[in-house]
Amino acid sequence: AQSVAQPEDQVNVAEGNPLTVKCTYSVSGNPYLFWYVQYPNRGLQFLLKYITGDNLVKGSYGFEAEFNKSQTSFHLKKPSALVSDSALYFCAVSHRDDKIIFGKGTRLHILP
Amino acid sequence: GAGVSQSPSNKVTEKGKDVELRCDPISGHTALYWYRQSLGQGLEFLIYFQGNSAPDKSGLPSDRFSAERTGGSVSTLTIQRTQQEDSAVYLCASSLSSYNSPLHFGNGTRLTVT
Repeated sequence: AQSVAQPEDQVNVAEGNPLTVKCTYSVSGNPYLFWYVQYPNRGLQFLLKYITGDNLVKGSYGFEAEFNKSQTSFHLKKPSALVSDSALYFCAVSHRDDKIIFGKGTRLHILP
Repeated sequence: GAGVSQSPSNKVTEKGKDVELRCDPISGHTALYWYRQSLGQGLEFLIYFQGNSAPDKSGLPSDRFSAERTGGSVSTLTIQRTQQEDSAVYLCASSLSSYNSPLHFGNGTRLTVT
């Protein structure tokens, strides 16, 4: 069975600085990896996914994530944080023919 | 186009009562999920429907919880004899396929058991 861990409950970053939100996973075989974002009082939105191919995937709002098979990680990154990036971020994993499992979420605070 | 629709948006019920939560997925989406979001608990998987296959019920927390999906479209999550620990936001999501398509989430049903 697959699982996903987000080791940080909260991440604080100053506006304009690079940000990283960490995610590690466990799955038998090749993983399918996702990041979703939940803005205050809004529904969950898809950011990006890794299925196969290039290890660096780009998504919405300037976010990107790097798939690292040896470290079983899929960290979310952005070169320059905006205050509007403050939200709850979820990493998710699935495997062929199996359900999508989410992590506990990381609350990102961008400080002006 | 229309997104995933959930009803009701809010539900307050007394302990011991049964509740039904409804989800209308995006037309043509074969995969449908139910998740539960509690404060500090992230997104807890409940149940997953994929086409005509038997649903994956491995996330249902007790036999008080059940779900069905009629005609491959609308889904209903039923909680019998509600308990206070059932209070949470129940989220429904659908996707074109199962494991590698992005999920489209509804706005959820906030359930409060008093």
